[in-house]
Amino acid sequence: AQKVTQAQTEISVVEKEDVTLDCVYETRDTTYYLFWYKQPPSGELVFLIRRNSFDEQNEISGRYSWNFQKSTSSFNFTITASQVVDSAVYFCALSGLTDKLIFGTGTRLQVFP
Amino acid sequence: DGGITQSPKYLFRKEGQNVTLSCEQNLNHDAMYWYRQDPGQGLRLIYYSQIVNDFQKGDIAEGYSVSREKKESFPLTVTSAQKNPTAFYLCASSSPPGGKGYGYTFGSGTRLTVV
Repeated sequence: AQKVTQAQTEISVVEKEDVTLDCVYETRDTTYYLFWYKQPPSGELVFLIRRNSFDEQNEISGRYSWNFQKSTSSFNFTITASQVVDSAVYFCALSGLTDKLIFGTGTRLQVFP
Repeated sequence: DGGITQSPKYLFRKEGQNVTLSCEQNLNHDAMYWYRQDPGQGLRLIYYSQIVNDFQKGDIAEGYSVSREKKESFPLTVTSAQKNPTAFYLCASSSPPGGKGYGYTFGSGTRLTVV
């Protein structure tokens, strides 16, 4: 069965600190996709990144970076120099060839000024 | 602009009533999904449909029903059999996995409250 674990329920940081959100996944599929979404207080899900299982290259997008390690089944997300606008709930998700997206329980990030 | 429209944004239901949540997409996606989110929890899959006139139960289908008569539409009915329906409901659609544009698009959600 597929599973996504986000062990950090809530993280609080002060602005300009770096913060890493952890994501560990389980799947028996050899082809799968990993996602990160941001959910601000308004509730909509904002897509951040998609990674497929054959691409372990780390990615950087502005202050955001992602570290994908198949050896540890992890897909961690780092925000550098955090800002108050980064405050939200962040979800890691996994889909295989069955095309169902399975979510972790989310990590609530609070960035204080 | 292509996207998913969910309506209404807020919905109040009396106990014992059935209510239907609307989800429409103009992305030409074959697959559509309904998720439920409870406070402090992740999203749990209720039902999904990969093609018109076909749908499958997700992890928490009891007390819900769906239909998929048109590619663009995937309404969710919350029946009186659903014991605790107060939650935030999100609809999504996706393109086929493996393609360059593979991804999921979400609606803005419907917040259902039982009064």
